[in-house]
Amino acid sequence: DAGITQSPRHKVTETGTPVTLRCHQTENHRYMYWYRQDPGHGLRLIHYSYGVKDTDKGEVSDGYSVSRSKTEDFLLTLESATSSQTSVYFCAIRYNTEAFFGQGTRLTVV
Amino acid sequence: QQQVKQSPQSLIVQKGGISIINCAYENTAFDYFPWYQQFPGKGPALLIAIRPDVSEKKEGRFTISFNKSAKQFSLHIMDSQPGDSATYFCAASMDSWGKLQFGAGTQVVVTP
Repeated sequence: DAGITQSPRHKVTETGTPVTLRCHQTENHRYMYWYRQDPGHGLRLIHYSYGVKDTDKGEVSDGYSVSRSKTEDFLLTLESATSSQTSVYFCAIRYNTEAFFGQGTRLTVV
Repeated sequence: QQQVKQSPQSLIVQKGGISIINCAYENTAFDYFPWYQQFPGKGPALLIAIRPDVSEKKEGRFTISFNKSAKQFSLHIMDSQPGDSATYFCAASMDSWGKLQFGAGTQVVVTP
């Protein structure tokens, strides 16, 4: 699992509430990523980070923000959850040229 | 729009058969093409990867074939086993940030 822990693993939340997903890594990797996985779309990049406080947008960043105040933690926040954000969210780290993924967080917005 | 197109969406193969999954891309700036395997409830795991200066790469029963002129690459799973039943994703990357563009995925079922 490349030392990646995502929390929570499952969450059900109501429309309009804020939600924060956490990705924690134990091996000091510089690059971290948040992807969402939806049927028919594969995985799509939401945001990524190339160091502490260095983040940038991916292809589906609307409605999401991220923060990285420590090397080991990369947080994904849905400021006001919508039903279209129901998805499985994966965190990844980059080691050499390879990406390693966490176990995922299944988020349901009702 | 999806920058990497993957087909088929699903396939069923008998044990011992060959599974073939195809991907096509448009952006010639892509320079790294990995394949990921995903089991239910798990994150994707890197299976095998290729760069465009190589036309074929084999690791065990898994082979990537790469056609640069056609902008296509494919995964062949030889001697398919029930344990290979999973969803397979192709992907492509073009920059030093390591951002991946994924195909939509192929669900492979290997029957005993």
